[in-house]
Amino acid sequence: QKEVEQNSGPLSVPEGAIASLNCTYSDRVSQSFFWYRQYSGKSPELIMSIYSNGDKEDGRFTAQLNKASQYVSLLIRDSQPSDSATYLCAVMTSGTYKYIFGTGTRLKVLA
Amino acid sequence: GAGVSQSPSNKVTEKGKDVELRCDPISGHTALYWYRQRLGQGLEFLIYFQGNSAPDKSGLPSDRFSAERTGESVSTLTIQRTQQEDSAVYLCASSLAGAGGPWETQYFGPGTRLLVL
Repeated sequence: QKEVEQNSGPLSVPEGAIASLNCTYSDRVSQSFFWYRQYSGKSPELIMSIYSNGDKEDGRFTAQLNKASQYVSLLIRDSQPSDSATYLCAVMTSGTYKYIFGTGTRLKVLA
Repeated sequence: GAGVSQSPSNKVTEKGKDVELRCDPISGHTALYWYRQRLGQGLEFLIYFQGNSAPDKSGLPSDRFSAERTGESVSTLTIQRTQQEDSAVYLCASSLAGAGGPWETQYFGPGTRLLVL
């Protein structure tokens, strides 16, 4: 089993819809969770970080964490064509320094 | 201040040649990471530096790969006797502490695109 799993997609949603991106992880002691966005040919940029169970909202983005289910998700409301990118989930265990990245989900927002 | 910078942005080399890739982290960031990203793939951890501690080299794929860091500043990743399978984007990232917590967010440089012919 991969340590961090994401559906590779592509996930296609119409403009204005909610895009839901999911990530599961295998290490129960994982403590820090990150969502990065990577446009084609560009480097990853941080979208959200989350450390506690529940929801964290930032503008159109909401990260949801459920440690019991070892699941973290990213919701993008009012999706725009400019949101079309690959979204990478990353997990770090407290006291360590390595990020474990998922392989990413490609999102396509259709105009 | 400025973000993470990397040079060169692109490098084309012949199989068997050595290449050196450079990373300048964000000023004040003590942790520095190197990753490799093959076309259409995820990020593959290569090496991690934290302050003056011994680096974690556990991700280096072979002894042809090595990296150095001068204090808490510039790092160079060297690939000796390059092979075609080394073709990838090499990404550098830095973080404030690298020890866990809200300050551990990694910020990525633009990457070096390496093509081995």
